[in-house]
Amino acid sequence: GAVVSQHPSRVICKSGTSVKIECRSLDFQATTMFWYRQFPKQSLMLMATSNEGSKATYEQGVEKDKFLINHASLTLSTLTVTSAHPEDSSFYICSATSGGATYEQFFGPGTRLTVL
Amino acid sequence: QKEVEQDPGPLSVPEGAIVSLNCTYSNSAFQYFMWYRQYSRKGPELLMYTYSSGNKEDGRFTAQVDKSSKYISLFIRDSQPSDSATYLCAMKANSGYSTLTFGKGTMLLVSP
Repeated sequence: GAVVSQHPSRVICKSGTSVKIECRSLDFQATTMFWYRQFPKQSLMLMATSNEGSKATYEQGVEKDKFLINHASLTLSTLTVTSAHPEDSSFYICSATSGGATYEQFFGPGTRLTVL
Repeated sequence: QKEVEQDPGPLSVPEGAIVSLNCTYSNSAFQYFMWYRQYSRKGPELLMYTYSSGNKEDGRFTAQVDKSSKYISLFIRDSQPSDSATYLCAMKANSGYSTLTFGKGTMLLVSP
């Protein structure tokens, strides 16, 4: 199956700093990438959808100025958490799809962000 | 009422047992149903993908959809300790591009 990687897998930062998370599709071109956030024992909550070369579409309640998404190529999307605060601590997961009949989403392994 | 309801568990079973995992949903527009397996601190992995009502079998896994009751199930036969994970149901309205709506996930523990 298609492989999606994320980097870093874990990051700890101080409050007020910015953190960048990378999502890469390794063996396919991803027309669309999705960013999710998952709190402990909670469901995956979609934050935003990004298409290569376009501005991301954010879900209601997600601050676009705080969570900057760049989808510069068909294999790379980045999520930058700006001025992170402890309440931003969560598990961030990306997924990617190449389209096709079912638009199956392939998920990355996730990034654990801890803001002190 | 949430769009997708799923009992978080944990569900504990002995090795070899048949496991039944379930989700209910409220949006009648959902037509495509998926089950994902998520190991601790890992991303979800697609297990089953089904369309509309009916059954689909893949090895030890069987997915069942009852649209009239808005109820979907995943059965695992001959469960193994390696099946211990969180199982998430997900669904969407269209075959093409549309966002997925996830359940909270059910944690399954299979003891040897």
